[in-house]
Amino acid sequence: DARVTQTPRDKVTEMGQEVTMRCQPILGHNTVFWYRQTMMQGLELLAYFRNRAPLDDSGMPKDRFSAEMPDATLATLKIQPSEPRDSAVYFCASGLGDPRTSTNEQFFGPGTRLTVL
Amino acid sequence: SQELEQSPQSLIVQEGKNLTINCTSSKTLYGLYWYKQKYGEGLIFLMMLQKGGEEKSHEKITAKLDEKKQQSSLHITASQPSHAGIYLCGADPGRGSTLGRLYFGRGTQLTVWP
Repeated sequence: DARVTQTPRDKVTEMGQEVTMRCQPILGHNTVFWYRQTMMQGLELLAYFRNRAPLDDSGMPKDRFSAEMPDATLATLKIQPSEPRDSAVYFCASGLGDPRTSTNEQFFGPGTRLTVL
Repeated sequence: SQELEQSPQSLIVQEGKNLTINCTSSKTLYGLYWYKQKYGEGLIFLMMLQKGGEEKSHEKITAKLDEKKQQSSLHITASQPSHAGIYLCGADPGRGSTLGRLYFGRGTQLTVWP
């Protein structure tokens, strides 16, 4: 049963600390997305990659957030330094974005709930 | 970019009642995706619509895309507590460099009470 996995599931940290979230996309998927969900803003796209190359990270605060894909099986989202306003649920999703099948279905991980005190 | 507006923002219905959630796009939709999210969990794919006038059903949930491909509705028949959650619509903007990304609405929170 292929699924997207994320670690950690929950993270509580103090303001100023570095936070790293990890995602393992579904094997064979070529597109990976990072989203942030809050009550106020809903689901926001932070960044996404295709074939490990960043396509769009305009939704991400550049001064403190960074997203990478060291290899095809791992995507990371890092916040340094973290701030209370970063508290949210962070989702990773992967997909196939295949023009031959015309489907952009995305498969979501369970999320990382981040609390910055 | 593409903006999606969902209505209502929240809905509380009694078990057994029918309900409809709407999703309106600022631009013509190339594809429209419906997802469901339970509290504390990720989004689960429900259905995808691509053709004007298209309608799909899965169990008691039916989704439609209008002919102009700018509005979609999600209808639940004889709602059950298991239908409770947040329903989000996502828009596929079409071909080109944005291939693969979806634009999401704010979601509709559905509560079904026994």
